[in-house]
Amino acid sequence: KQEVTQIPAALSVPEGENLVLNCSFTDSAIYNLQWFRQDPGKGLTSLLLIQSSQREQTSGRLNASLDKSSGRSTLYIAASQPGDSATYLCALYNFNKFYFGSGTKLNVKP
Amino acid sequence: GAGVSQSPRYKVAKRGQDVALRCDPISGHVSLFWYQQALGQGPEFLTYFQNEAQLDKSGLPSDRFFAERPEGSVSTLKIQRTQQEDSAVYLCASSLARLAGVGDTQYFGPGTRLTVL
Repeated sequence: KQEVTQIPAALSVPEGENLVLNCSFTDSAIYNLQWFRQDPGKGLTSLLLIQSSQREQTSGRLNASLDKSSGRSTLYIAASQPGDSATYLCALYNFNKFYFGSGTKLNVKP
Repeated sequence: GAGVSQSPRYKVAKRGQDVALRCDPISGHVSLFWYQQALGQGPEFLTYFQNEAQLDKSGLPSDRFFAERPEGSVSTLKIQRTQQEDSAVYLCASSLARLAGVGDTQYFGPGTRLTVL
């Protein structure tokens, strides 16, 4: 079974900092990897999707990378803002299901 | 509606009661997924539908859990004889493609928070 680990579990940074969230997984047989954002009481919002054949994706201040050989993905957030405060989840997709990590809870202080 | 909707948003049940949770996916979305999210954890896969066909129910934790999507749109997750360990947020997601993933995005509803007393 695919195991997904996210480090750190929680992170608190001052506004403006660049930061990196980490995701590791045990099975490299995946279709894609997605990073999601979850706000309290709300569903998940997809931020970036990286296909199995790709190495990275960028959207605005966000950049996600994928290294299947080492079983790792990172989400880079540039110039963090208080509005970025949320829980960030990585999820790997194969065989009709997503395998989620437990998330990194990010707090960006004004 | 523009997104996935779920009802009720909150449900409190006494142990032993049956509950039914509803998901309205985005119109035209072929694939529908149910997930269970315990407090402080990531979502765990429960089951997957392609139109009305339930193609994967390997994540359902026991035979007390049952899901259906009879007309290929709205789906209902039913839990019989609820137990305290069933307390969680139940998330529904839909995607356009026949095979979710491979370039497709899942759109999640806000979830139903179930509390079993």
